[in-house]
Amino acid sequence: RKEVEQDPGPFNVPEGATVAFNCTYSNSASQSFFWYRQDCRKEPKLLMSVYSSGNEDGRFTAQLNRASQYISLLIRDSKLSDSATYLCVVISSGGSYIPTFGRGTSLIVHP
Amino acid sequence: DGGITQSPKYLFRKEGQNVTLSCEQNLNHDAMYWYRQDPGQGLRLIYYSQIVNDFQKGDIAEGYSVSREKKESFPLTVTSAQKNPTAFYLCASSSRDRGSSNTEAFFGQGTRLTVV
Repeated sequence: RKEVEQDPGPFNVPEGATVAFNCTYSNSASQSFFWYRQDCRKEPKLLMSVYSSGNEDGRFTAQLNRASQYISLLIRDSKLSDSATYLCVVISSGGSYIPTFGRGTSLIVHP
Repeated sequence: DGGITQSPKYLFRKEGQNVTLSCEQNLNHDAMYWYRQDPGQGLRLIYYSQIVNDFQKGDIAEGYSVSREKKESFPLTVTSAQKNPTAFYLCASSSRDRGSSNTEAFFGQGTRLTVV
């Protein structure tokens, strides 16, 4: 089983829709969680950290469920500019502290 | 401005050549990483370094080498032993301060390597 798993999609939604992605992780010792956005042929950029209590940044909401070992990203009122690949990143509390990436979920927002 | 810089942006390599990709950061981060991304795939870890003069193999280290002589620099050499080197290479750095909330990874703009 891969350490971090995501549904690759693509998720194809109309403008204004609400869309949610999930990401599961296998290491129960994981302690830091992030969502990154990657545009085509560009480097990943941090979208938001994911905190235990859940957190919101504008139209974006991130949740963490430690018991079930998954994190989620909810995007409300989708914009055309939200079209990108969303990468889930997990850092474990073992000695190496390495960011481990999911393969990403592709989102396409159409008019 | 603080950041992480990779160069070159595009690189072409002939069969049998070694090439070195540059990665420099001025964020004062202890940890640096090299990832490889193939089309439609996630990021796979090649090498990482948690401190100067120390580095460790990642999941796909074969055919690659690194050095960490300075905190700011973590160059990656793609050797002729790497049989399928055409890919997008991403360098990242992060703080190892586990007491801090700022542990996210910052990325360079990437180097697109093509074997010709």
